[in-house]
Amino acid sequence: EIVLTQSPGTLSLSPGERATLSCRASQSVSSSYLAWYQQKPGQAPRLLIFATSSRATGIPDRFSGSGSGTDFTLTISRLQPEDFAVYYCQQYGNSLTWNTFGQGTKLEIK
Amino acid sequence: QVYLVESGGGVVQPGRSLTLSCSASGFTFSASAMHWVRQAPGKGLEWVAVISYDGNNKYFADSVKGRFTISRDNPQNTLHLHMNRLRSEDAAIYYCARSQRRYDILSVSYEYPYGLDLWGHGTTVTVSS
Repeated sequence: EIVLTQSPGTLSLSPGERATLSCRASQSVSSSYLAWYQQKPGQAPRLLIFATSSRATGIPDRFSGSGSGTDFTLTISRLQPEDFAVYYCQQYGNSLTWNTFGQGTKLEIK
Repeated sequence: QVYLVESGGGVVQPGRSLTLSCSASGFTFSASAMHWVRQAPGKGLEWVAVISYDGNNKYFADSVKGRFTISRDNPQNTLHLHMNRLRSEDAAIYYCARSQRRYDILSVSYEYPYGLDLWGHGTTVTVSS
């Protein structure tokens, strides 16, 4: 079973600053992908990044994803007030056979 | 408009059954794999189950395997989650979500690289005696 560990658990930053969120997999898996989601209170999650670094439709270019193997990163270049939320990473097989989420990182206003 | 709407949530006693539904609109439902993802109160996201575009392949999280089943009715654009032998730890908001496919020429099969790109608003399941 693949376990995704996100860090930090909580990140306190100010608008305009750069945010770097980490997602580490317990093992490297071929034929798999990594996605990032944003969730605000009372709302469903929203896809930000898929296949490690591709932005979903309508996502601003201040959001970027990178990484490979077991280490992945979501970067928000200049935080906007609406970016403060909880962020989840997800690793999934390309043939649907498995999916797993990280435990989340809360990005809060400092 | 493109959207998913879940229904069927409610209060159910431990050990009983409940069926959730997800109605899709605005896209080719029969071309997409569909997932259920849940979120317990104050907790993170937990993937529950997925069904392929044609209903032939189904996969489940270990926590629900043998108790939950997933099905779809493509002509009716509807997804279902049949939950049996419910436990207190199954209490959560249940979301349905879409995975779009692409055809891989090399493997001569469909793959699903695009993540869960469309989510419903969720339906709440409470398990309590």
